[in-house]
Amino acid sequence: DAMVIQNPRYQVTQFGKPVTLSCSQTLNHNVMYWYQQKSSQAPKLLFHYYDKDFNNEADTPDNFQSRRPNTSFCFLDIRSPGLGDAAMYLCATSRDRVTGEQYFGPGTRLTVT
Amino acid sequence: QKEVEQDPGPLSVPEGAIVSLNCTYSNSAFQYFMWYRQYSRKGPELLMYTYSSGNKEDGRFTAQVDKSSKYISLFIRDSQPSDSATYLCAMSATGGTSYGKLTFGQGTILTVHP
Repeated sequence: DAMVIQNPRYQVTQFGKPVTLSCSQTLNHNVMYWYQQKSSQAPKLLFHYYDKDFNNEADTPDNFQSRRPNTSFCFLDIRSPGLGDAAMYLCATSRDRVTGEQYFGPGTRLTVT
Repeated sequence: QKEVEQDPGPLSVPEGAIVSLNCTYSNSAFQYFMWYRQYSRKGPELLMYTYSSGNKEDGRFTAQVDKSSKYISLFIRDSQPSDSATYLCAMSATGGTSYGKLTFGQGTILTVHP
């Protein structure tokens, strides 16, 4: 089945210790998104790739970076996690940017100790 | 004022009830409307997708869009305990600053009691 896969599902890191979350997709979609979702809140868009074109949201902290080495994979790097970065991180894909129809992965729950 | 307003609930109904979930929005550029279902500690699952105004039915679920009133609804018939989840409305525009991005409502927590 075509899908969006996120690894790991649960990640524990220490305050200030860099962490990388990964996302892969078998849908062959052009667009990949990273969202942050905190408890009882809607997902908040951090950035997205349209093919190789990186699009950062204006309010995304510099602490968050992303890489997309190929169509299938996308990574979220948090350079120096703070306690406030503990959240669910969601990857989503879309065939294009026109329709907005996005498919989400299961998420990675990040804990910062 | 938020671009998309959604009553957060929580909403509690007995099994078999008809559930109505609603969102209002202010951005007239929104053309695509979606409903996502999110179970606890899971990623959102696309439930219904509608372009412009009109109705769409899929099994027990019906999505309605009224662009003139800037109002969308999701109806769940014969609700089941397995429908217990958070329901997020989301919308996107074909241009402007919202192009290619989803604007979410804050989600409605639904519990269906056996």
